[in-house]
Amino acid sequence: AQKITQTQPGMFVQEKEAVTLDCTYDTSDPSYGLFWYKQPSSGEMIFLIYQGSYDQQNATEGRYSLNFQKARKSANLVISASQLGDSAMYFCAMRISGGYNKLIFGAGTRLAVHP
Amino acid sequence: GAGVSQSPRYKVAKRGQDVALRCDPISGHVSLFWYQQALGQGPEFLTYFQNEAQLDKSGLPSDRFFAERPEGSVSTLKIQRTQQEDSAVYLCASSLPRRDRSYEQYFGPGTRLTVT
Repeated sequence: AQKITQTQPGMFVQEKEAVTLDCTYDTSDPSYGLFWYKQPSSGEMIFLIYQGSYDQQNATEGRYSLNFQKARKSANLVISASQLGDSAMYFCAMRISGGYNKLIFGAGTRLAVHP
Repeated sequence: GAGVSQSPRYKVAKRGQDVALRCDPISGHVSLFWYQQALGQGPEFLTYFQNEAQLDKSGLPSDRFFAERPEGSVSTLKIQRTQQEDSAVYLCASSLPRRDRSYEQYFGPGTRLTVT
């Protein structure tokens, strides 16, 4: 079965510190993609970062990096230098190549950044 | 630039009423997805369109749910005889068939449906 697991319902971090949000996945498809989305209280899903299953290097986008460990089937999001505006829900999602590229989401992690 | 828009943003329906939720995707985006997000949960796939063709409706929870995209642009998700368990945020997303290998989906702000 294809599944995304986020085991941290909530996390908090001090402003300017780094935080890691965990994500593990399960799929037998050799070709897949992993996404992280941010959902602030306004409700819109904001794309943060993408990692393809065949990518050799970990993806980075500004303050976001994805720690991709294929053998362990994990794709953790690292946010460096946290800002107050980073407080939101964060969702890990997997794109299945054989499923018209629909996304399977985890349950999410609520991040609170404290001043 | 114009992103994905959805209307209405909020909808309150009495149990048993029919509702219609609209999605305007980004112009030129071939692929359109509908997701349902229950409170405190991640979004769950409902259905997928490629242009006007509905290629995957495996996530629709019952035959009360119906989606269409007749001209390959605007899409409407219709829920007949709404039930309390239909209360959720309904998210629409669109994407090009291929972009930077990621098939990135652009999401709208969602419609929050409350069934009383």
